[in-house]
Amino acid sequence: EPEVTQTPSHQVTQMGQEVILRCVPISNHLYFYWYRQILGQKVEFLVSFYNNEISEKSEIFDDQFSVERPDGSNFTLKIRSTKLEDSAMYFCASSTGGLWETQYFGPGTRLLVL
Amino acid sequence: AQKVTQAQTEISVVEKEDVTLDCVYETRDTTYYLFWYKQPPSGELVFLIRRNSFDEQNEISGRYSWNFQKSTSSFNFTITASQVVDSAVYFCALRDAGGTSYGKLTFGQGTILTVHP
Repeated sequence: EPEVTQTPSHQVTQMGQEVILRCVPISNHLYFYWYRQILGQKVEFLVSFYNNEISEKSEIFDDQFSVERPDGSNFTLKIRSTKLEDSAMYFCASSTGGLWETQYFGPGTRLLVL
Repeated sequence: AQKVTQAQTEISVVEKEDVTLDCVYETRDTTYYLFWYKQPPSGELVFLIRRNSFDEQNEISGRYSWNFQKSTSSFNFTITASQVVDSAVYFCALRDAGGTSYGKLTFGQGTILTVHP
């Protein structure tokens, strides 16, 4: 069964460093999402991406964040200058499209900013 | 604005007990979709079920059942004869069809379910 994959599974970085989190969505999916979950808290929407552009973003998704689909398979989230409060689990999700369609989530990348 | 409330922060049961996880939602839209996801200790989010606002029929899948009541804005989840493997965090989520929404999910706080042997 196709699944969303994410790399790395864990990342430790120093405050102020740039990190890139990578995702490979399910191959026939058209809509891509990033969510984050601070430890012990709920899952929060960051951004949605369709047709090579951002379709919606939350207040969390400020100028230090960016997303890209550099080729036909990868979908990346870049955090330009990490802060302590960026420490969280970051989930990538994808769907075939349409409001009815289910979003399938990857296993997550746990980011720790020191 | 959308909101999902899972009032039960933690539930602890003994194996074979039935358990119901509550979910109450708020939305201004008449068309919306509700989901349940499971997050086991390994951390991934596993899709369990989706429901649209026009379909209030309850659903059963093995030991899992879901009760959607539009009148009370609730979408509760029951596990019958719970097992230790059911121990996880369960999230209820809402997606509305209005405005410029491109399908973002609004999650509840989650309910930590612990099933003891």
